[in-house]
Amino acid sequence: TQLLEQSPQFLSIQEGENLTVYCNSSSVFSSLQWYRQEPGEGPVLLVTVVTGGEVKKLKRLTFQFGDARKDSSLHITAAQPGDTGLYLCAGSPGGTSYGKLTFGQGTILTVHP
Amino acid sequence: NAGVTQTPKFQVLKTGQSMTLQCAQDMNHEYMSWYRQDPGMGLRLIHYSVGAGITDQGEVPNGYNVSRSTTEDFPLRLLSAAPSQTSVYFCASRRARTGELFFGEGSRLTVL
Repeated sequence: TQLLEQSPQFLSIQEGENLTVYCNSSSVFSSLQWYRQEPGEGPVLLVTVVTGGEVKKLKRLTFQFGDARKDSSLHITAAQPGDTGLYLCAGSPGGTSYGKLTFGQGTILTVHP
Repeated sequence: NAGVTQTPKFQVLKTGQSMTLQCAQDMNHEYMSWYRQDPGMGLRLIHYSVGAGITDQGEVPNGYNVSRSTTEDFPLRLLSAAPSQTSVYFCASRRARTGELFFGEGSRLTVL
């Protein structure tokens, strides 16, 4: 089983601050996804990165896939209360196991007004 | 646009009881899966299916059974519930082209 370690596990910040969430593994992934989950709901996909070194931006969110495809980061600029939620990274080993994602433990983000 | 529908949303069982969590999707996705979510442990794959008639075990399959008789439905059965199966269960289907998982709203199960 390929493991994904997310850090930090908890993050509590004030509105307007910047933050970074990390997702690390000793294994190589063919792709990595980031999901956001709100209480009482299922996770929703934010982004998929597939190329080593790839950077994707989604408004104030910036996602990066490590050059070796073993790690990823999510950076949020000027966080807002609406960013509050559980952020999960998920890696795919590739090939026919594309859907057999391995999830990290998650990062609970709380943004205070 | 129903997406992935799970029932029930909440269930309380006594140890040893059996039950089935229902999951249906209307997106014609071949791949479907069941996860359980526990605090601090992310999502762990229980069983998955790559198409009707085909199922396989995930990371934590013990105590659970699945079947896939149609593309739309993928029920999860607990044969003899145990307190360790207290969790939130999520069903998900996958869009083949992008690998994106679409999740249901979850089923919160408590085993006493």
